[in-house]
Amino acid sequence: LAKTTQPISMDSYEGQEVNITCSHNNIATNDYITWYQQFPSQGPRFIIQGYKTKVTNEVASLFIPADRKSSTLSLPRVSLSDTAVYYCLVGEAGDYKLSFGAGTTVTVRA
Amino acid sequence: NAGVTQTPKFRILKIGQSMTLQCTQDMNHNYMYWYRQDPGMGLKLIYYSVGAGITDKGEVPNGYNVSRSTTEDFPLRLELAAPSQTSVYFCASSSGGGTNYGYTFGSGTRLTVV
Repeated sequence: LAKTTQPISMDSYEGQEVNITCSHNNIATNDYITWYQQFPSQGPRFIIQGYKTKVTNEVASLFIPADRKSSTLSLPRVSLSDTAVYYCLVGEAGDYKLSFGAGTTVTVRA
Repeated sequence: NAGVTQTPKFRILKIGQSMTLQCTQDMNHNYMYWYRQDPGMGLKLIYYSVGAGITDKGEVPNGYNVSRSTTEDFPLRLELAAPSQTSVYFCASSSGGGTNYGYTFGSGTRLTVV
């Protein structure tokens, strides 16, 4: 599995855009990039996945540059309910021995 | 559609006691996983299964055992509870193996060993 590095924590205010960058310098050709969100006292929830360029869904956008050595999760106009831990995972089909790192704790303030 | 259901939600064990954490999914997923999450940390893989009758160790299997007799159920057994096993345990499932398949997690079991 490719090693990932992401910030430990980020603070924001309601209505702002939050961008979390994940570094994965040794990403392999067949690897996908997946992000999960975990609220306190809950299990992680899949939010978005991509391979290259840009992916957008109703929750977030994922930007992946051409070299794929990093990716950025973008949360538009955050609210207090977006306060959570966000995990970046990189791996290919069949890499099911996944362990989640410490993730990025995003705190949204009023 | 319940997804992944874990029981119990909370449990306090004494050192040396045994217990089984239950996990059931109703999505007909072949892949199932057990993770533990210590305070302020990420999730570490304990055991996983790629189908009924097939299980394998993850990153931190010591002190645990699993079985997978049906597609739906994947119980985790603690034989001799130790304080180091105090943690939150999450069960997850997926339709395929790998990060390009989104994992569905249960709500967790908070275990305290005293």
